[in-house]
Amino acid sequence: GDSVTQMEGPVTLSEEAFLTINCTYTATGYPSLFWYVQYPGEGLQLLLKATKADDKGSNKGFEATYRKETTSFHLEKGSVQVSDSAVYFCALSDRGDYKLSFGAGTTVTVRA
Amino acid sequence: ETGVTQTPRHLVMGMTNKKSLKCEQHLGHNAMYWYKQSAKKPLELMFVYNFKEQTENNSVPSRFSPECPNSSHLFLHLHTLQPEDSALYLCASSQEGLNTGELFFGEGSRLTVL
Repeated sequence: GDSVTQMEGPVTLSEEAFLTINCTYTATGYPSLFWYVQYPGEGLQLLLKATKADDKGSNKGFEATYRKETTSFHLEKGSVQVSDSAVYFCALSDRGDYKLSFGAGTTVTVRA
Repeated sequence: ETGVTQTPRHLVMGMTNKKSLKCEQHLGHNAMYWYKQSAKKPLELMFVYNFKEQTENNSVPSRFSPECPNSSHLFLHLHTLQPEDSALYLCASSQEGLNTGELFFGEGSRLTVL
């Protein structure tokens, strides 16, 4: 079945450091890929998405490129802030519908 | 209110209790979901309702009983739970048919089973 594997955390960084969170997927078709973020005490919210190979999703300084050849969708940000401290979830939708398969989440803590 | 709201935010119950979690969405969506979030595990989809009809039940034990009286409200009735059911239960909604993949989540109900 469909699945998402993302790097285990926690990840601790200093402000202005470079962040990368690895995500790889397994799917039978041509999935859409997503990154969701969960700030402390809040629900998940969509951060960015890509719907086909080579698409790049971007939002709030974060980027991720849909790599079909490596079945990956790694999340990157060039200079993190304390406010980026959160749990990040990689997810996919493989059936052209609304049901998502999520990874286990990666906790990121940014220190001033 | 806006978005997706869940009550209660925190719940502690014994294994013999009966309680319910409530979710309400103010977004005009027609699909609603229950997810279970446990530490270091992927989010687990439990139930999906589309236009008030249950379209998915991912082999959830019968001690969890969902109810969707209308497209804006979703309940999760809890009965005779086990300690391993302790988790954060997240409600979400979406607009079926748009295929955007965007779910709108509530803040969750943190459940502790003693």
